[in-house]
Amino acid sequence: QKEVEQNSGPLSVPEGAIASLNCTYSDRGSQSFFWYRQYSGKSPELIMSIYSNGDKEDGRFTAQLNKASQYVSLLIRDSQPSDSATYLCAVIAPGTASKLTFGTGTRLQVTL
Amino acid sequence: GAVVSQHPSRVICKSGTSVKIECRSLDFQATTMFWYRQFPKKSLMLMATSNEGSKATYEQGVEKDKFLINHASLTLSTLTVTSAHPEDSSFYICSAVPLGWTGQRTSGRSGSYEQYFGPGTRLTVT
Repeated sequence: QKEVEQNSGPLSVPEGAIASLNCTYSDRGSQSFFWYRQYSGKSPELIMSIYSNGDKEDGRFTAQLNKASQYVSLLIRDSQPSDSATYLCAVIAPGTASKLTFGTGTRLQVTL
Repeated sequence: GAVVSQHPSRVICKSGTSVKIECRSLDFQATTMFWYRQFPKKSLMLMATSNEGSKATYEQGVEKDKFLINHASLTLSTLTVTSAHPEDSSFYICSAVPLGWTGQRTSGRSGSYEQYFGPGTRLTVT
């Protein structure tokens, strides 16, 4: 079982819709969770971090964490074509000295 | 805030030569920096953890004598690819954790685990 799993996509949503990106992780003791956005040929950009169960909102982005289900998601409201990118879920597992473990990423396409 | 730079952004070198890549945190100090490699359409692969003032910690399968890491100050880490070969051609990305991270989660940015990435260096070995 992969440590961090994401559906590779592509996930296609129309402009203005809500995009829902999902991620599961294997280490139940993980405490820190991140969503990064990566445009083609560019490096990852931190979108959200979340540490506690529940929702965390920042502008059009909402991260949701459910530690019991080992599940973290990212919602993008009012999706724009500029949101088209690969979204990487990353987790810091306990005892790994802050090392990020990345999922393979979900490619999001926002269509006009 | 939390800006990380890398230099060069692109480099082409001949097989057998060495290439040095610099990673700088511009507006914060970082005791820990990470080096990643990313092949096309693949996710990031952690190569090593660079700690200021101590030896780097390499991930399994990464040759420490081939990928030399020096973290000479709280704002600079370098990766040198020695005797480069075409299979070393890749996108190399560094990241940094702002000083103040203690390994314990606390509220607020100074105590968080957030890593900030540099723009990456595309290495092509001919």
